[in-house]
Amino acid sequence: KQEVTQIPAALSVPEGENLVLNCSFTDSAIYNLQWFRQDPGKGLTSLLLIQSSQREQTSGRLNASLDKSSGRSTLYIAASQPGDSATYLCAVKQYDMRFGAGTRLTVKP
Amino acid sequence: GAVVSQHPSRVICKSGTSVKIECRSLDFQATTMFWYRQFPKQSLMLMATSNEGSKATYEQGVEKDKFLINHASLTLSTLTVTSAHPEDSSFYICSAREPRQGYEQYFGPGTRLTVT
Repeated sequence: KQEVTQIPAALSVPEGENLVLNCSFTDSAIYNLQWFRQDPGKGLTSLLLIQSSQREQTSGRLNASLDKSSGRSTLYIAASQPGDSATYLCAVKQYDMRFGAGTRLTVKP
Repeated sequence: GAVVSQHPSRVICKSGTSVKIECRSLDFQATTMFWYRQFPKQSLMLMATSNEGSKATYEQGVEKDKFLINHASLTLSTLTVTSAHPEDSSFYICSAREPRQGYEQYFGPGTRLTVT
């Protein structure tokens, strides 16, 4: 059974810092990996989708990498802003999607 | 991109009553939909996979008689929480698989259920 782990569980940084969120998964036979953002009490916002054949995807200040063989992905956020404060979820797709527990990010002004 | 809606967005019900939550794919046909549950400060946990025209497949530990899923059309799946209890209070999110886009999953906005 696929297990997805995210480290750290919570992170607090001052505005402007670059930061890295980590995601690991136990079964490397995935179709893709997706990073989501979730604001309190809200649904999911898709940030980046990396297909299994890709190694990274970039969107604005966000960069996600995938090392499928080692079962790892990272989400890099450059020049963090208070508006980036949210929970970031990593999910891997096989037949269905399995989620990590998330990283709660707080960016302090 | 593909859009998935859920209704209602919030519902409060009394213990012992049943509540129905709808999940619709607005601009595509979804033969497969998924139902997730999220408790406060926890991640999404897959409850069941819903296939149009057939019985849903439930994850281990999810009571199929309590969480009734009906996927009667290619654009609509419903989740009925029967005889709701306070411990069923949670955030329920559905997603639908879009076959024209590599079977990528699109998520609804979620339904907040509170059982008093």
